[in-house]
Amino acid sequence: KQEVTQIPAALSVPEGENLVLNCSFTDSAIYNLQWFRQDPGKGLTSLLLIQSSQREQTSGRLNASLDKSSGRSTLYIAASQPGDSATYLCAALKTSYDKVIFGPGTSLSVIP
Amino acid sequence: DAGVTQSPTHLIKTRGQQVTLRCSPKSGHDTVSWYQQALGQGPQFIFQYYEEEERQRGNFPDRFSGHQFPNYSSELNVNALLLGDSALYLCASSAGWGPNEQYFGPGTRLTVT
Repeated sequence: KQEVTQIPAALSVPEGENLVLNCSFTDSAIYNLQWFRQDPGKGLTSLLLIQSSQREQTSGRLNASLDKSSGRSTLYIAASQPGDSATYLCAALKTSYDKVIFGPGTSLSVIP
Repeated sequence: DAGVTQSPTHLIKTRGQQVTLRCSPKSGHDTVSWYQQALGQGPQFIFQYYEEEERQRGNFPDRFSGHQFPNYSSELNVNALLLGDSALYLCASSAGWGPNEQYFGPGTRLTVT
């Protein structure tokens, strides 16, 4: 059974810092790994999608990497801004027709 | 290009009642998935609809049922509401059958009293 964990559960950093969020999954036979952002009480916004054949994806100040052999994905945020404050969730989709398994999320607070 | 829309935004129901939530997928998408998100937790998969049929189901009781219409929109029905059903219900759409990128709606906040 696929399990997804995220460390840390919460993170508070000063504005301008570079930071790394971690996501671990127990079953390395995943199809893709997707990172989302969720603002309080709102829906999920897709940030980056990494296919199993890929190692990383980049969008602006965000970079996500995927290491299937170790069951890990990291989300790197460069030069953090107060507007980055939100909960970040990773989700692993195993093989075709399987459901998406979400991690519990990392709550990020960027202090001005 | 409209994204995923959900209605209503908020809903308050009493234990034992029934509720229907609605979702319209992103333009060009034909697959709809429903998730339940309790406060402080990640979303939990309820079920997925494709070609008007339930294709996959998570670990939820039969009180949770759904439907997909020919225009790909979908409904989530919950019968005999329990206090524990209070959550944010999220709808996600994707293009085609398979593990494709999902786009989420803003959610419906259900409170059961």
